[in-house]
Amino acid sequence: GAGVSQSPSNKVTEKGKDVELRCDPISGHTALYWYRQSLGQGLEFLIYFQGNSAPDKSGLPSDRFSAERTGGSVSTLTIQRTQQEDSAVYLCASREGVDYGYTFGSGTRLTVV
Amino acid sequence: AQSVSQHNHHVILSEAASLELGCNYSYGGTVNLFWYVQYPGQHLQLLLKYFSGDPLVKGIKGFEAEFIKSKFSFNLRKPSVQWSDTAEYFCAVNVGYTGRRALTFGSGTRLQVQP
Repeated sequence: GAGVSQSPSNKVTEKGKDVELRCDPISGHTALYWYRQSLGQGLEFLIYFQGNSAPDKSGLPSDRFSAERTGGSVSTLTIQRTQQEDSAVYLCASREGVDYGYTFGSGTRLTVV
Repeated sequence: AQSVSQHNHHVILSEAASLELGCNYSYGGTVNLFWYVQYPGQHLQLLLKYFSGDPLVKGIKGFEAEFIKSKFSFNLRKPSVQWSDTAEYFCAVNVGYTGRRALTFGSGTRLQVQP
């Protein structure tokens, strides 16, 4: 597609439920990133996929968070047993290579009630 | 680990005023530097980036930034702002080809331009 696509755009869930957020990067982009943007704060790095290499998970805030990238394309970020502090906008970005900029999706606004 | 500081959290300007938003990073090696803009209700968009070469980088919508290696700075400038520049601006750094290759963002600067 023309840009990075994320779904759903909005998600309201009850505390304790699991959620899955999807990111469809730009075709051919080898690198994929997940970030979290909380109200009034900057962007917090979560996880990074590069080709077939092991992902950099160093930004995941707890073991309730996990992500996978199937076939080097679509990625799913899963949050288990959601907590209210997980409420944020989850952003996905992709890029073609190290000499290129990052293209961001519109994000998924997650609200845990 | 690298970090990015944006010291101006909220800036209010009148139209036609000049803009300079500060950005400092902490990393002594090769860096790639970016400015992103987020207009109200929209997603992050790339304004400009620096990888190498001329340290004065020109971006979209009349923005420019200057990389000053000795000061670890990459300040964003625009000579004359417009009401439509009202947005949040994020500086970000990517550490060359080593270390974590994800972007590290500053906390953002909210720019409000009054007509």
